[in-house]
Amino acid sequence: GQSLEQPSEVTAVEGAIVQINCTYQTSGFYGLSWYQQHDGGAPTFLSYNALDGLEETGRFSSFLSRSDSYGYLLLQELQMKDSASYFCAVRLGGSQGNLIFGKGTKLSVKP
Amino acid sequence: KAGVTQTPRYLIKTRGQQVTLSCSPISGHRSVSWYQQTPGQGLQFLFEYFSETQRNKGNFPGRFSGRQFSNSRSEMNVSTLELGDSALYLCASSLVKTGDEQYFGPGTRLTVT
Repeated sequence: GQSLEQPSEVTAVEGAIVQINCTYQTSGFYGLSWYQQHDGGAPTFLSYNALDGLEETGRFSSFLSRSDSYGYLLLQELQMKDSASYFCAVRLGGSQGNLIFGKGTKLSVKP
Repeated sequence: KAGVTQTPRYLIKTRGQQVTLSCSPISGHRSVSWYQQTPGQGLQFLFEYFSETQRNKGNFPGRFSGRQFSNSRSEMNVSTLELGDSALYLCASSLVKTGDEQYFGPGTRLTVT
């Protein structure tokens, strides 16, 4: 089966850097995505890695290593508004193609 | 552009009833996916529609069904509601089928009593 593992909670202070890891067990997928969801809100797309390596979008960066079945989201210069849940997701290959989400990591940013 | 809209936002139903939820994608988006979100199971894929055709279906019972109209609007239906169907139902649209960048609506909070 397919599964993605993320830490359930992470706490960091304002201005710091935090890395949220995502390890997966899935046979064949197109790419790794990251979504942010604030309490009571809808998930919003952050980044997508189709290839191995680092993708940078402002304060957020995402990394994928297919050989290690591993990816991460890096958040720099943390702000209070970054307190939210972060989900990794993979788009399955083959005849499926649907998105499978991790259970999410709740990030708490402290002053 | 207006975002993804979902109606209703909140719904309370009793066991055994059925419910229909509606989703209007971003203008120009032809792919609509539905997800169920619960604290215990997280975000789970229900199904995806593209150009009025169901492309993929998640591991949910046949009580969960959906359709897409020619204007890309989509509905999902849950029949014979069970307590465990209480969840946030999210709709997401993307420009292309199975798009990696999905835009989510605010969701419909369904409570089954």
